[in-house]
Order: sequence, then C-alpha cells, then structure tokens
Amino acid sequence: AQSVTQLDSHVSVSEGTPVLLRCNYSSSYSPSLFWYVQHPNKGLQLLLKYTSAATLVKGINGFEAEFKKSETSFHLTKPSAHMSDAAEYFCVVSDNTGGFKTIFGAGTRLFVKA
Amino acid sequence: SAVISQKPSRDICQRGTSLTIQCQVDSQVTMMFWYRQQPGQSLTLIATANQGSEATYESGFVIDKFPISRPNLTFSTLTVSNMSPEDSSIYLCSVEDELGLAGLNEQFFGPGTRLTVL
Repeated sequence: AQSVTQLDSHVSVSEGTPVLLRCNYSSSYSPSLFWYVQHPNKGLQLLLKYTSAATLVKGINGFEAEFKKSETSFHLTKPSAHMSDAAEYFCVVSDNTGGFKTIFGAGTRLFVKA
Repeated sequence: SAVISQKPSRDICQRGTSLTIQCQVDSQVTMMFWYRQQPGQSLTLIATANQGSEATYESGFVIDKFPISRPNLTFSTLTVSNMSPEDSSIYLCSVEDELGLAGLNEQFFGPGTRLTVL
C-alpha cells in the first residue's frame, strides 16, 4: 500500500534563506514521485517529478528534490527563498500496483518573510 | 501537457440543491479523475471516470451523492447532489499524462471549482 507523509504542516523562512520541505513515502513497488505547488486561489502546478533516471531532480523556479530510496524520502529544497514561493506544497506518490493510484500528502504551507 | 478547463469556477449554493461541474480537456484521454479539497486540507480522490464505463468510486464516496458522466474522451461532469455545508470544497478535475513514459503517472489538473454551500 502506498502512503506519503509530509513531516511539516507549515514552514517559515526568511527571503534569501534555504527552503527544505520534507516528504517520506512508502510504496510496494518503484513509485513515481512528484511535488506540486498550489498558490492561493490558483490551480495545482507540477514543480518536479522523479522518473528513476536520476536521483537528484531539478524542477522549475530553482526547486530540486533528491530521491533517497534507503531513507524513503523525497525532500524538496531551494537554495534561496523568494517571496513568490509562498504557497502550499504537496508531495505525491503514485504507482500502478492494483490499478492507477495517486496519493497526496497533507501539504506543507511555506511562509516567506521579508 | 493537457489543458483543462472547469465550469463554473466558483458557486454559492443552497443546502439541498445539486450542482454539476463540467471538465473539458483539450485532448483525448482515457482516464479522468475527480478530486475534492476541503478547506485547509489536501486532495482526496473521489472517483476515476473512464469513457464508456461506470466511474470507480473511492472509499467514502458513492454514486448517489457524486454521480459522474463521461460521454466522450474529452469531457466529464461531476454532480454534487443534495448539498450540505460539509460539501463546501474545491473540486478538481485531473487527467493522466498518457503520452509520458510508462510508469510516470504525471497528472494535469484543472483550475478547480470552489463550492460554498450555505
């Protein structure tokens, strides 16, 4: 069975400092992993995705995530936060075991202080 | 990528009424998904709609409450029936990237329909 746990319900950083949003997953088979961002009153946007080709995945807007199978983690990072990064971030796991299933994490709200 | 539109973008409805949400995709897709996002919550899958067959509902969701139509490969509707304030949520339509690599399972989402039930 799949599951995904976002370890922080909210994270607050100062502009220009690093961002770390944590995600752990469980999956019976090799999963697909994604990070989505949702800005207030906006739709969901894909930030990046893990394709099994490389463990370090680079996404849009300077975000990246590292797949660590031994730790079952897929944490999202960015070297320097920008005010426009303030949003809700969802870690997502999916696989094709027993039919297509996508599970969303509970979400982490990122606050960026000036 | 797929471009998805939803109508209405938002609505305020009275208790006991029903609302039908439309989802239109700019390409033909096999599977369409309906999600609910309650205030301050994550997304929960309601059902999967395949063209030409009955929708498959997740645990906790039933066809009588959330009937779904899938008349063709680019369109689907979700009806929220006999609404109560607890149904106030954002409802999102989604499709799978069918042109992606096998096992990639990327999804594209519509902008959502924000429903408020009084």
